[in-house]
Amino acid sequence: SQELEQSPQSLIVQEGKNLTINCTSSKTLYGLYWYKQKYGEGLIFLMMLQKGGEEKSHEKITAKLDEKKQQSSLHITASQPSHAGIYLCGADSGIPIARGTSYGKLTFGQGTILTVHP
Amino acid sequence: DTGVSQDPRHKITKRGQNVTFRCDPISEHNRLYWYRQTLGQGPEFLTYFQNEAQLEKSRLLSDRFSAERPKGSFSTLEIQRTEQGDSAMYLCASSLLPRGLYTGELFFGEGSRLTVL
Repeated sequence: SQELEQSPQSLIVQEGKNLTINCTSSKTLYGLYWYKQKYGEGLIFLMMLQKGGEEKSHEKITAKLDEKKQQSSLHITASQPSHAGIYLCGADSGIPIARGTSYGKLTFGQGTILTVHP
Repeated sequence: DTGVSQDPRHKITKRGQNVTFRCDPISEHNRLYWYRQTLGQGPEFLTYFQNEAQLEKSRLLSDRFSAERPKGSFSTLEIQRTEQGDSAMYLCASSLLPRGLYTGELFFGEGSRLTVL
């Protein structure tokens, strides 16, 4: 079965600093999701990456997919306290039938806890 | 609110009791998923439905667990004879098989937290 390893497990940064979270898969990545979760709450969709080398940005968050390395990275520029939370990567377990589709059954990493000090 | 809603948000029960969780997906979504998340871990897939058909069940879903989606709209997840190991957050997600501009992302609800004493 596919396993996802996130690093670091936790991260504490000062407001305004840049940071990167990595997600490495044990198997080929067909689709990679990034979610954010506040403690005790549901998951908020951030981005979905499918094509090798694909890079997407949303506000100050950028994610990249490196198919060869079976890895994705999430980069936050000029972090703010509102970025604090748990970041989870999830890999799609099936081959998408078309670009932008998802098999929907995801395997998740263990999460990275981000704390941003004002 | 047109997001995925789950009820109840919190449930405390004694070992051996039965519990039921309900999930109302985004109205036009034809796929519905159940995941379970324990403290410090990412969510784990349990089962999913396409319309009213349950298409896949994880081996994590023991015989004490049953999920239904009778009319292809809301879904229920029942746990019979609860055990302390069932304590977790139960997350529901929905998606739309892509048509047109939809990308098929999974949208999650706020979850139902179960504590078994």
